[in-house]
Amino acid sequence: GDSVTQMEGPVTLSEEAFLTINCTYTATGYPSLFWYVQYPGEGLQLLLKATKADDKGSNKGFEATYRKETTSFHLEKGSVQVSDSAVYFCALRATGGFKTIFGAGTRLFVKA
Amino acid sequence: SQTIHQWPATLVQPVGSPLSLECTVEGTSNPNLYWYRQAAGRGLQLLFYSVGIGQISSEVPQNLSASRPQDRQFILSSKKLLLSDSGFYLCASRTFKNTEAFFGQGTRLTVV
Repeated sequence: GDSVTQMEGPVTLSEEAFLTINCTYTATGYPSLFWYVQYPGEGLQLLLKATKADDKGSNKGFEATYRKETTSFHLEKGSVQVSDSAVYFCALRATGGFKTIFGAGTRLFVKA
Repeated sequence: SQTIHQWPATLVQPVGSPLSLECTVEGTSNPNLYWYRQAAGRGLQLLFYSVGIGQISSEVPQNLSASRPQDRQFILSSKKLLLSDSGFYLCASRTFKNTEAFFGQGTRLTVV
């Protein structure tokens, strides 16, 4: 079945450091891909998405590119801030599918 | 856009007591609705989803049940809670005009 694998955390960075959180997926066809962010004690918010190969999703300085050839959707940010500390989830939904499948989440700590 | 309301935000219940968590959706009609559970430090597990009134699909066998009495209302229930039911419960909604799901703020359930 469809699945998402993302790098284990926690990831600890200093402010202004470069961030990469790896995400790979297994799915048939061309699923839609998502990154969600969860701040402490809250629900999930959509951070960015991509719906077809080579699409780049971007929001709030974060970017991820849909790579069909490597089945990857890695999240990047050039300069993290303390306020970016949160849990980040990679997810997919198959075309026409009802279910969104999530990775295990990666906790990010950013130190001042 | 859609707004997902969940309540209560926090709940402490004794083992063996019943449970009812409610989720309502504003700003859309005919959504697909979902219940997820997030155990402490873990990813999201899909528990139930519904594509219409009275239509419930269960993803994992467990001590919980779900019902959808109205188009924009989704209820998660249990007759007798177990310690293992503790977790963070998230309701989500998606319509066909959106590729992504929208989440509520979650209910933190502690069974003691």
